[in-house]
Amino acid sequence: DTGVSQDPRHKITKRGQNVTFRCDPISEHNRLYWYRQTLGQGPEFLTYFQNEAQLEKSRLLSDRFSAERPKGSFSTLEIQRTEQGDSAMYLCASSLAPGDSPLHFGNGTRLTVT
Amino acid sequence: QQPVQSPQAVILREGEDAVINCSSSKALYSVHWYRQKHGEAPVFLMILLKGGEQKGHDKISASFNEKKQQSSLYLTASQLSYSGTYFCGTELGYSTLTFGKGTMLLVSP
Repeated sequence: DTGVSQDPRHKITKRGQNVTFRCDPISEHNRLYWYRQTLGQGPEFLTYFQNEAQLEKSRLLSDRFSAERPKGSFSTLEIQRTEQGDSAMYLCASSLAPGDSPLHFGNGTRLTVT
Repeated sequence: QQPVQSPQAVILREGEDAVINCSSSKALYSVHWYRQKHGEAPVFLMILLKGGEQKGHDKISASFNEKKQQSSLYLTASQLSYSGTYFCGTELGYSTLTFGKGTMLLVSP
């Protein structure tokens, strides 16, 4: 068990550019979550997958955000036409079903949009 | 619906006790507690399912009052390593956790 890994750890981009983040969950975990966290706030839910199916997406999530989990293994989160308000820590977590299992978080990708 | 945590911050001396509360306006299926140290990922502490059970390990325990939709995290005889921000995450039964804004705990020598 190597834990949840995220890549890159840091990303600086200019406004309007597209960025993609990757998350590798714990291998036997079938659930994968994306959260966003800004300074002084708790993690904010973005979306989650069970295996390869995206089961829920936050209503607050802009259409510029898209996530995939091909083959139910790693996941990618893409942000198109980044805005300064997208600057945050993007956290990935994985867990076993059912829903009352603990979440194991990765160390996150810190995005800075200039 | 984001749960409400109180207090926002706590400063303790080593060995003192603290209670962190988490409340929701919605009927809860479960409550999770996590601790996050600066620059690190949140780390799981415990889960409480509806039914009013109490859980604990070491000197950290928690309770869940289903009637009040409240959970409390109890830290006794605090240690320096307890410093960090504590988040409760509430689940309504739809498999996604909604986290509170966190309670910052600082334990000094």
